[in-house]
Amino acid sequence: SYVLTQPPSVSAAPGHTATITCGGNNVGSKSLHWFQKRPGQAPVLIIYNNNGRPSGIPERFSASKSRDTATLTITRVEAGDEADYFCQVWDSSSDHHVFGPGTKVTVL
Amino acid sequence: QVQLQQSGPGLVKPSQTLSVTCVISGDSVSSSSVAWNWIRQAPSRGLEWLGRTYYRSVTSYWTYDYALSVKGRISITADTSKNQFSLQLNSVTPEDTAIYYCARAGERVFDYWGQGTLMTVSS
Repeated sequence: SYVLTQPPSVSAAPGHTATITCGGNNVGSKSLHWFQKRPGQAPVLIIYNNNGRPSGIPERFSASKSRDTATLTITRVEAGDEADYFCQVWDSSSDHHVFGPGTKVTVL
Repeated sequence: QVQLQQSGPGLVKPSQTLSVTCVISGDSVSSSSVAWNWIRQAPSRGLEWLGRTYYRSVTSYWTYDYALSVKGRISITADTSKNQFSLQLNSVTPEDTAIYYCARAGERVFDYWGQGTLMTVSS
């Protein structure tokens, strides 16, 4: 089955940039999405189809991809950005949705 | 605006069946352009996709896909009269303790989520 990898944690000071990676075999060929998950709340879609941003999501959130790695970048980090971030793809070979293990972003 | 309202938290004994329901407003469970999913998050764990169901009017057919981790124990059903879909997970163990989420997937993107339901498996 398809596997996505993420670093367990990332930290950044307010006003600085947080970068979260999501690795997977040939992930560049898949549509990849990013979710923000705060404790006690449902996940929120923040990036869809690799670099699309839903209405209401700040431009501070952006994403990119290479062949085997996707990257979520949060610029001008704020205290409210402290959360877990998950990448997700659809694996057509298994007809399964697959989530990465998640990255905890800590604002210093 | 699509809203997904889940049933309340529950306590289930080991070996019994866990059930959660998701009531849909602003869309139809038999919509041909989306799929209805269940996802869970166990304590201190990540998100785990459990399965989905969807209807396609072209074929008048419901499709069900289940994650290998729960296949054989899971059943997702849709009730068009109540515009809702449900999750049943059989033979549960404490490892099935989690917050269960329903979610709509449009173009395979989880765009709307329920509020989550804490299901605890304990004797």
